[in-house]
Amino acid sequence: SQQGEEDPQALSIQEGENATMNCSYKTSINNLQWYRQNSGRGLVHLILIRSNEREKHSGRLRVTLDTSKKSSSLLITASRAADTASYFCATDAGGAQKLVFGQGTRLTINP
Amino acid sequence: DTEVTQTPKHLVMGMTNKKSLKCEQHMGHRAMYWYKQKAKKPPELMFVYSYEKLSINESVPSRFSPECPNSSLLNLHLHALQPEDSALYLCASSYGLAGVYEQYFGPGTRLTVT
Repeated sequence: SQQGEEDPQALSIQEGENATMNCSYKTSINNLQWYRQNSGRGLVHLILIRSNEREKHSGRLRVTLDTSKKSSSLLITASRAADTASYFCATDAGGAQKLVFGQGTRLTINP
Repeated sequence: DTEVTQTPKHLVMGMTNKKSLKCEQHMGHRAMYWYKQKAKKPPELMFVYSYEKLSINESVPSRFSPECPNSSLLNLHLHALQPEDSALYLCASSYGLAGVYEQYFGPGTRLTVT
């Protein structure tokens, strides 16, 4: 079952603005990952954050993790049209051998 | 080479047909996965292979039959599918445990069952 909830389900912003997506989960985790999916294509791994980490950066991406609130956020700064995609969080809440994906946020960057 | 390849890209099949999806990776990854994804939904795990052995079957109907002939190849055999099985089928691989290592996804096979 998919236990991750993402908020918002859809987000539309202007190019150059920042985009923030949130992910909540229900059970304890060891790691949380974020993936991007362009329309009808495969997923691309963005970042992995461990349960003992609070924040991680990768280029224009910033991920935070709050295990007390069972939530994570993904911030994309200075958005570009190429960032238009669906973004999924995924956790190891189902066991170490599999990922459980959230429902995803559809991000649209308007030029 | 950090690529996962999938063939075919598109597949249309009737409910009585037998077809196979193929996935290949040459990254030395020991875990491989099949996912099913419906439009505007997250990927749903179907099968996990670890060291060429089936380790997880997420209660997938028997009309889907996975096979891992060697550490680089993963097949999904399809037989007597239903129209509701139409979806994007994604293959992925990872160096080790899914929760610990990033997964590399192929571009998917768009399956339509008529």
